[in-house]
Amino acid sequence: AQKITQTQPGMFVQEKEAVTLDCTYDTSDPSYGLFWYKQPSSGEMIFLIYQGSYDQQNATEGRYSLNFQKARKSANLVISASQLGDSAMYFCAMKRFEGAQKLVFGQGTRLTINP
Amino acid sequence: DARVTQTPRHKVTEMGQEVTMRCQPILGHNTVFWYRQTMMQGLELLAYFRNRAPLDDSGMPKDRFSAEMPDATLATLKIQPSEPRDSAVYFCASGLVPGTISSYEQYFGPGTRLTVT
Repeated sequence: AQKITQTQPGMFVQEKEAVTLDCTYDTSDPSYGLFWYKQPSSGEMIFLIYQGSYDQQNATEGRYSLNFQKARKSANLVISASQLGDSAMYFCAMKRFEGAQKLVFGQGTRLTINP
Repeated sequence: DARVTQTPRHKVTEMGQEVTMRCQPILGHNTVFWYRQTMMQGLELLAYFRNRAPLDDSGMPKDRFSAEMPDATLATLKIQPSEPRDSAVYFCASGLVPGTISSYEQYFGPGTRLTVT
């Protein structure tokens, strides 16, 4: 079975600082994908970044980067130069690429950016 | 800008009533997912379809929930009869499987916030 663990229920960061949101996962599948979603107070789920298990390089999307350490089964999200609009819930999720392809989500981290 | 749409956005109903939630996936996507989000359980998958066929509905209470895709542009999730414990936000998401690496993500709709009193 797949499992995602996000150990930080809440984080508070000063504006313009970098922030790392932790995510560890557990799976026996040889190939899988890791995702981060942002959920602002308005409720929608916004896709941020994707990392495939066989990707050699860490994924980056603008101010978002994924620190993928396969041996440690971690997929931390790094947000550089945080902005007030980054305040939201952040969910780490994974999906296997064989069989059922549903996303399995962690419990989320509530990030608050302080001015 | 292609988006998943969901209706209604909010629904308040009394216990015992039937609730129908609708989802229009992104055109061309062949996979549709229904998720439920609650404070206690977080985000959990209820059902998913590929090419309109149900592939997994193991997360759905079968006695009261049903999910269908009458056509490629419409997915429905019904609860009959509804109960207060069904109060949650219900998300529909669509994706393309198999797809290119860039299309592995699932695109979520805005959700339906259901309150059963």
